[in-house]
Amino acid sequence: NAGVTQTPKFQVLKTGQSMTLQCAQDMNHEYMSWYRQDPGMGLRLIHYSVGAGITDQGEVPNGYNVSRSTTEDFPLRLLSAAPSQTSVYFCASSYWGQGSEKLFFGSGTQLSVL
Amino acid sequence: DQQVKQNSPSLSVQEGRISILNCDYTNSMFDYFLWYKKYPAEGPTFLISISSIKDKNEDGRFTVFLNKSAKHLSLHIVPSQPGDSAVYFCAASVRSGGYQKVTFGTGTKLQVIP
Repeated sequence: NAGVTQTPKFQVLKTGQSMTLQCAQDMNHEYMSWYRQDPGMGLRLIHYSVGAGITDQGEVPNGYNVSRSTTEDFPLRLLSAAPSQTSVYFCASSYWGQGSEKLFFGSGTQLSVL
Repeated sequence: DQQVKQNSPSLSVQEGRISILNCDYTNSMFDYFLWYKKYPAEGPTFLISISSIKDKNEDGRFTVFLNKSAKHLSLHIVPSQPGDSAVYFCAASVRSGGYQKVTFGTGTKLQVIP
């Protein structure tokens, strides 16, 4: 069971570079989301999607773009990386409706922006 | 505005004793409360949850208590084992459309000493 798969596991960028963090799930979950984890800040929601073609902003969306063309994939794009985006990024998915409070997380991407 | 607060960043407990992790919240509209466990270099994993209409939920060595009047929940681990050493995130969710919007606390790092 693959669950939620994130790539890459580690990435170093220079300020101003762009990149895409990949996330795929094989559980047919309608809901997918991206969180960032920073020391002392917990997990903060960046963007989320409730189905293919539907996305919305979370708590800290600035500097990030998302799209959802399929149920399985939910990539996170950094258009022009900044040092403030140095963080650990987690993708999560869940069922729609009953039980949707139970999130399934990927193993994370550690991103450093120099 | 931190709606879910974990005021203890760390906790050390002897193996075999009880571990008590605490969490406070401010939003009375939350309808589910959850605990997630996170090991280093891994994503968080769901541990246990409780509905807002209950005051206790038990699953093996793990029990979550909810005190709605005090807006406080706690996770009890009895007996504590070295494998329980991890970061524990408290979370709370509120229904938004067809999914649960989940807000996380900042985490408590538990160390169980053999």
